[in-house]
Amino acid sequence: AQSVTQLGSHVSVSEGALVLLRCNYSSSVPPYLFWYVQYPNQGLQLLLKYTSAATLVKGINGFEAEFKKSETSFHLTKPSAHMSDAAEYFCAVSVGGSNYKLTFGKGTLLTVNP
Amino acid sequence: NAGVTQTPKFQVLKTGQSMTLQCAQDMNHEYMSWYRQDPGMGLRLIHYSVGAGITDQGEVPNGYNVSRSTTEDFPLRLLSAAPSQTSVYFCASSGRTGGLGELFFGEGSRLTVL
Repeated sequence: AQSVTQLGSHVSVSEGALVLLRCNYSSSVPPYLFWYVQYPNQGLQLLLKYTSAATLVKGINGFEAEFKKSETSFHLTKPSAHMSDAAEYFCAVSVGGSNYKLTFGKGTLLTVNP
Repeated sequence: NAGVTQTPKFQVLKTGQSMTLQCAQDMNHEYMSWYRQDPGMGLRLIHYSVGAGITDQGEVPNGYNVSRSTTEDFPLRLLSAAPSQTSVYFCASSGRTGGLGELFFGEGSRLTVL
C-alpha cells in the first residue's frame, strides 16, 4: 500500500527565506506524487506533480519538488517565501496509479513572518 | 465554469439526525470522490465513483452512503449523524482526459454534530 509522511506539521519562515516542506513516501510500485495547497477556507488545488518523467518538477507560484528514489522523498521548495504563500500544504500519492484515488499526508501549515 | 459546487457550506446537526451534502460538477468528469478533513489527520477518502451508477468505499466509509445517478451529481448521505462525523467535507472530481491525479475540489462543507 502507498503512503506519504510529511515531516513537520508546522513550518515558520521569514519573508524572503527558503521554504522547504518535507515529504517521504512508501510505495511498492513506482509512485505518482503530488503537492496540493489549501488556502484558508478554500478547497485544495494542485501545485505540482511527479509522474515518472523529469525528477525535478516545477509548479505554480515558483514552487518546485525533486523526486529522489534513493531517499524515497519528494520535498517541496521555494527559494524565497512570500506572504501569500501562507497556507497548508499536502503531499499525496496516487493509489495504484489511479487517476482519482489519492492518499494524502497529514499536512504542513506554512507561516510566513514579515 | 463553476467547477465543483458543494452545498451547504455550513450545517449543524443533532446526534441521530440525517442529512445530505450535495456535490455537483460541470466539467463532465468521470470520477468523483468525497473526503473528510480533520485537524492533524489530512484528508481521508470516504467514498468514490468512477462513473454514473458505480460507487465504491474508501478508507472511512462507515456512517455514510453515496449514489451516482448522473455524471454531474454525487451526494453524500449521513444516515444517523454522530459527533465523530463533525468535520469538513470536500467533494472532488477528475477526468480521464485531464492530468493524472489532478483533483478539482469544492470549497468544502463544514459539519458540526452536537
